[in-house]
Amino acid sequence: NAGVMQNPRHLVRRRGQEARLRCSPMKGHSHVYWYRQLPEEGLKFMVYLQKENIIDESGMPKERFSAEFPKEGPSILRIQQVVRGDSAAYFCASSPPTGNYGYTFGSGTRLTVV
Amino acid sequence: LAKTTQPISMDSYEGQEVNITCSHNNIATNDYITWYQQFPSQGPRFIIQGYKTKVTNEVASLFIPADRKSSTLSLPRVSLSDTAVYYCLVVPEDSSYKLIFGSGTRLLVRP
Repeated sequence: NAGVMQNPRHLVRRRGQEARLRCSPMKGHSHVYWYRQLPEEGLKFMVYLQKENIIDESGMPKERFSAEFPKEGPSILRIQQVVRGDSAAYFCASSPPTGNYGYTFGSGTRLTVV
Repeated sequence: LAKTTQPISMDSYEGQEVNITCSHNNIATNDYITWYQQFPSQGPRFIIQGYKTKVTNEVASLFIPADRKSSTLSLPRVSLSDTAVYYCLVVPEDSSYKLIFGSGTRLLVRP
């Protein structure tokens, strides 16, 4: 079991470009969660998705950020027109449909906006 | 949402037992307590979870007193590889996915 796979591990974007972060959940997990970690801070919840549905996006910035989890393929976190303040580590976690005995996190994507 | 308070940092030596205490004075009836470990450049890893009394697994023990206003993560015989940040989280049962990570406790294990 490969665990939660995120790619790329590191992403550098110039201000104004788009960033696309991918997350493949663990096998058998149909729920995906995105978190953001700013330097020297704890992780902050962004969005919770199930296949083809956004369940809770209360932690997502209102503009420029979007997330999807299509029927086929990985979940995508998309950041349009990136700014310096978007520089952070973005983590994805997954869980099975039932139970809440801990969430499995990926190794994250470190986004640097220059 | 219940706020947690834990030491910013702790030092220990290989082979010692480490106890990290977390206070959560306004924990709600349906909240449970979860601990995660995070190494540099990696995502958090679930360690242990409990509601009351004592929980033990192959990695750690979690002690929760009757009033549930605090909890203690106990790591037996730490090794250098246990150097990491440890997060105490209070998780509402009805929105368990909205994990709230504070600043955590940076544990340094010395030879």
